[in-house]
Amino acid sequence: NAGVTQTPKFQVLKTGQSMTLQCAQDMNHNSMYWYRQDPGMGLRLIYYSASEGTTDKGEVPNGYNVSRLNKREFSLRLESAAPSQTSVYFCASSEPGKNTGELFFGEGSRLTVL
Amino acid sequence: KQEVTQIPAALSVPEGENLVLNCSFTDSAIYNLQWFRQDPGKGLTSLLLIQSSQREQTSGRLNASLDKSSGRSTLYIAASQPGDSATYLCAVPTYTGANSKLTFGKGITLSVRP
Repeated sequence: NAGVTQTPKFQVLKTGQSMTLQCAQDMNHNSMYWYRQDPGMGLRLIYYSASEGTTDKGEVPNGYNVSRLNKREFSLRLESAAPSQTSVYFCASSEPGKNTGELFFGEGSRLTVL
Repeated sequence: KQEVTQIPAALSVPEGENLVLNCSFTDSAIYNLQWFRQDPGKGLTSLLLIQSSQREQTSGRLNASLDKSSGRSTLYIAASQPGDSATYLCAVPTYTGANSKLTFGKGITLSVRP
C-alpha cells in the first residue's frame, strides 16, 4: 500500500547547488506530475508526464528538469538552486481518462534554499 | 484558462455543526471534479471524485455535489468533529488531447472547535 513515495522528505541546499527529488508509484499509473506548493499561491504544476517517455511543461517549469525513468519513476532536478525554489514539492500520479482521473499524492518534499 | 475559486479561505465552526464548503470554476466543460484534504505538513488525500455524469458522491459523513452548468461544487460535512480540521481543496482537470492536468483552488482551512 505504498502508493506514491517521495525522497528525500527534507533537504536544505545552498544557492547554486543541485539536487534531484525522486518519486515512485506502485499503482501502474501512466501519468505522473510534479507540483510545488507555496503559501498564498496554492498548488502549481511544474512538469508532468502523460506516459512513459513523454514529459511536458506545466505552469512554472523554469529552473527545473524532469526525467521519466520508467513507468514507475519520475524525478525532478534543480540544476542550480535559488532561494525562490524554497517550497514544498509534491509528486502525484493518476490514470487519466474521462471516466477516471483520480489523483494520488506523495507526502511531499520540503526544500529550503539558503 | 480554467480558474478555480474557493471562498472563504478559512472557516471556524463549533463541533457538531453541519457545514458546506464551496468551490467554483470558470470553464464548465469538465469531466470530473475532485475534493482533497490536506493536514498540516502532509500531502493531499483524495476524498471524493465526482464524474461529470454524476450529481453527487458520498463517503461517510461527506457528500459532494456538482453542478456543471453553474460552475459549482459543494462539499457537505455532516456533524463536524475536531478531527475534520484541515485544509480542503477542490480541483478540476484540463484536457489537452490525451493529457490531463488538474487546476486547484487555493483551499479552505477548516477549524472545528471542541
